[in-house]
Amino acid sequence: DGGITQSPKYLFRKEGQNVTLSCEQNLNHDAMYWYRQDPGQGLRLIYYSQIVNDFQKGDIAEGYSVSREKKESFPLTVTSAQKNPTAFYLCASSIGRTTYQPQHFGDGTRLSIL
Amino acid sequence: GQQLNQSPQSMFIQEGEDVSMNCTSSSIFNTWLWYKQDPGEGPVLLIALYKAGELTSNGRLTAQFGITRKDSFLNISASIPSDVGIYFCAGPRGDIWDTGKLIFGQGTTLQVKP
Repeated sequence: DGGITQSPKYLFRKEGQNVTLSCEQNLNHDAMYWYRQDPGQGLRLIYYSQIVNDFQKGDIAEGYSVSREKKESFPLTVTSAQKNPTAFYLCASSIGRTTYQPQHFGDGTRLSIL
Repeated sequence: GQQLNQSPQSMFIQEGEDVSMNCTSSSIFNTWLWYKQDPGEGPVLLIALYKAGELTSNGRLTAQFGITRKDSFLNISASIPSDVGIYFCAGPRGDIWDTGKLIFGQGTTLQVKP
């Protein structure tokens, strides 16, 4: 089945450690997005990529980094510079670069601090 | 900046009741999207609206694109326990070019008592 796969489902980070969240899609979508969700809040955009080898900062990019070397993959690294990383992270993709092609989401990764 | 305000923030209803929730903004939107998020999962697209005044149904769900372009409504008829979750509205950023970036409301949490 086509879809978006995020892994791992749960992740724990130690102080000073970088961790990488995986996002893979087999939908042949051009655009991919990373969001952060905190309890009782909506989704906030971290980074997005509209095409391979190109990505842009969203609203809360500080302490995060991404890469887009392949169309199918858009990994997110939570660096040690992100002082409050505990959250639910969601990856999304869409066919094109406009909102006329709605975003579809993976099932998320929950990141916690040890 | 642009914001989407959802109301109510939470609802606790009896199974079989109808549900209404809305999303408002001080800015005009050209697209309205409604998503549902089950606990521990990613949001799933329910309905997409692209035209002012548009009324679209998806099973027991009906959504409307407000004629002023500043609001949208989602109704659920004859609620069942599996309707439990968080409902988000979303719309495109007010960028000059449609970049595919979305703004999300804070969500309406729905609980259904069997």
